[in-house]
Amino acid sequence: EAQVTQNPRYLITVTGKKLTVTCSQNMNHEYMSWYRQDPGLGLRQIYYSMNVEVTDKGDVPEGYKVSRKEKRNFPLILESPSPNQTSLYFCASSLAGGSIVDHQPQHFGDGTRLSIL
Amino acid sequence: GENVEQHPSTLSVQEGDSAVIKCTYSDSASNYFPWYKQELGKGPQLIIDIRSNVGEKKDQRIAVTLNKTAKHFSLHITETQPEDSAVYFCAASYNNNDMRFGAGTRLTVKP
Repeated sequence: EAQVTQNPRYLITVTGKKLTVTCSQNMNHEYMSWYRQDPGLGLRQIYYSMNVEVTDKGDVPEGYKVSRKEKRNFPLILESPSPNQTSLYFCASSLAGGSIVDHQPQHFGDGTRLSIL
Repeated sequence: GENVEQHPSTLSVQEGDSAVIKCTYSDSASNYFPWYKQELGKGPQLIIDIRSNVGEKKDQRIAVTLNKTAKHFSLHITETQPEDSAVYFCAASYNNNDMRFGAGTRLTVKP
């Protein structure tokens, strides 16, 4: 089954304790992205990756890191989490985007709810 | 950059009625407008999308219209059913790198 898998689904942790949220897709998609979802704000992009070893900042990258060593995986790293990073996080993937004539729909994981105390 | 506004934030309709959700965008360069449905505990799922070279697209009970001049697009759901209850997001982009989402509409369909 084609899917985007995030782990963990839920995490409660404390300020300053490094954490990683994993994201894996089995559709051989080039493009992957991380979003956070907060009430009244919709989905805001944190980081995205056009392909292996190519990553770039989205709208709200502060406090986050990513890596893209393999095509299928795109982990989100919080080196020193803070309470304002408490949110619902989504990973998404699609076939290569970036073309004005070839948008591809994004496929989302089921989300990771992070609580930073 | 692109800014997308979505209205209403909540919408309640009776089963069988129609529901309309509206979005406006700011960047005239945007040319791709997807709509996503998010059910409780799940990630957003694409339900329909439209590109700037067409004005309307329909798929069974759902349709999307686009007015490029006014920079707004709308989702229309006819003959609503309880399983249509969810949060709906519109989005606009020039390419996948800059997709901007609306704040969402919580649709409730009462049986």
